Amino acid sequence: EVQLVESGGGLVQPGGSLRLSCAASGFIFSSYSMSWVRQAPGKGLEWVSYISSSSSTILYADSVKGRFTISRDNAKNALYLQMNSLRAEDTAVYYCARPLYSGSYGYWGQGTLVTVSS
Amino acid sequence: EIVLTQSPGTLSLSPGEGATLSCRASQSVSSSYLAWYQHKPGQAPRLLIYGASSRATGIPDRFSGSGSGTAFTLTISRLEPEDFAVYYCQQYGSSPYTFGQGTKLEIK
Repeated sequence: EVQLVESGGGLVQPGGSLRLSCAASGFIFSSYSMSWVRQAPGKGLEWVSYISSSSSTILYADSVKGRFTISRDNAKNALYLQMNSLRAEDTAVYYCARPLYSGSYGYWGQGTLVTVSS
Repeated sequence: EIVLTQSPGTLSLSPGEGATLSCRASQSVSSSYLAWYQHKPGQAPRLLIYGASSRATGIPDRFSGSGSGTAFTLTISRLEPEDFAVYYCQQYGSSPYTFGQGTKLEIK
């Protein structure tokens, strides 16, 4: 059974940093691209970042480019999102997601809440 | 960036009725890389449709997707109580892989 478990969320001050992790199990992690998607309170889903299976291709939304860094450790079956220079508008539930068919996200974690506030 | 615009913003219907949700793209979505998701509060989003018209595994056949280019539709026939949720379209053919703003399907 495919499982994705996010961790690392919490309360952080504006300008601070946080590192999210996503532990993957139940599939060959190194064979799949992975992504982060977020949902701010009362808002819709927002795609954040993508990393290919070998880390050769990395993509970001304009809203986080230059501040967030996606990475993965295939030996540890783990996906990461390093978030720097955090802003209030980064407050959201962050989901890691894995494609099921082509690039559509068939598997999601339960999400981890990041709150940016003083 | 491809902007996806969903309509209506809110749809009020009764169980047993049919629903038609629209998703329009600002540019053509390549190879019909268009997905639909169902999202309920406190849960992870659920993939319903990929490739514009293919149902994901385990999705009831009352859900169907259609369209190509810049106009896509999700149709739900015979609404069940568990279908009331927020629905999002997403294009994954061109980075950034944008989502629409969502359509809330509520019980009338």
